[in-house]
Amino acid sequence: EPEVTQTPSHQVTQMGQEVILRCVPISNHLYFYWYRQILGQKVEFLVSFYNNEISEKSEIFDDQFSVERPDGSNFTLKIRSTKLEDSAMYFCASSVGPSVAFFGPGTRLTVL
Amino acid sequence: DAKTTQPNSMESNEEEPVHLPCNHSTISGTDYIHWYRQLPSQGPEYVIHGLTSNVNNRMASLAIAEDRKSSTLILHRATLRDAAVYYCILRVPVSGGYNKLIFGAGTRLAVHP
Repeated sequence: EPEVTQTPSHQVTQMGQEVILRCVPISNHLYFYWYRQILGQKVEFLVSFYNNEISEKSEIFDDQFSVERPDGSNFTLKIRSTKLEDSAMYFCASSVGPSVAFFGPGTRLTVL
Repeated sequence: DAKTTQPNSMESNEEEPVHLPCNHSTISGTDYIHWYRQLPSQGPEYVIHGLTSNVNNRMASLAIAEDRKSSTLILHRATLRDAAVYYCILRVPVSGGYNKLIFGAGTRLAVHP
């Protein structure tokens, strides 16, 4: 069964450093998303992406965040200058259309 | 954003049916009811969704009240692997056609052997 994959599974970085989280969505999906979950808290929507454009972004997704689909298979989330409060699980998801989204296993980001 | 209300936690015994309730009294006519679950240390996993009629799939059944103000996720025979946080989410249509999910706190289901 096709699945969303994410790399790395765990990323440790120093505050102020740039990180890139990578995702490979399911191959025939057209919509891509990033969510995050701070430890012990709710899963939060960050951004949706379609046709090489951001469809919607949340208040969390400020100028430090960017997304890109650099080729036909990858979808990335970049955090330019990480802060301690960016420590969280980051989940990539994809969907064919507006119906069901399939989530990846997540990348645990730890900012020291 | 459309709001749902779920119990914080529930318990079940293995191989027994589990009924997970969800209230969504402010649902509008075009909102789909989605259920996802999150096993420990994993990403959310799609379970089932519906609009008006009851739905069945290999994982679960979804019973939707006639007035659509509540719904129940039914796991017919709970297994230890079903221990997870279950989220009832109203998917509100957006003009861009994409899927935006607003997660609440969900119901933490414990399954006892």
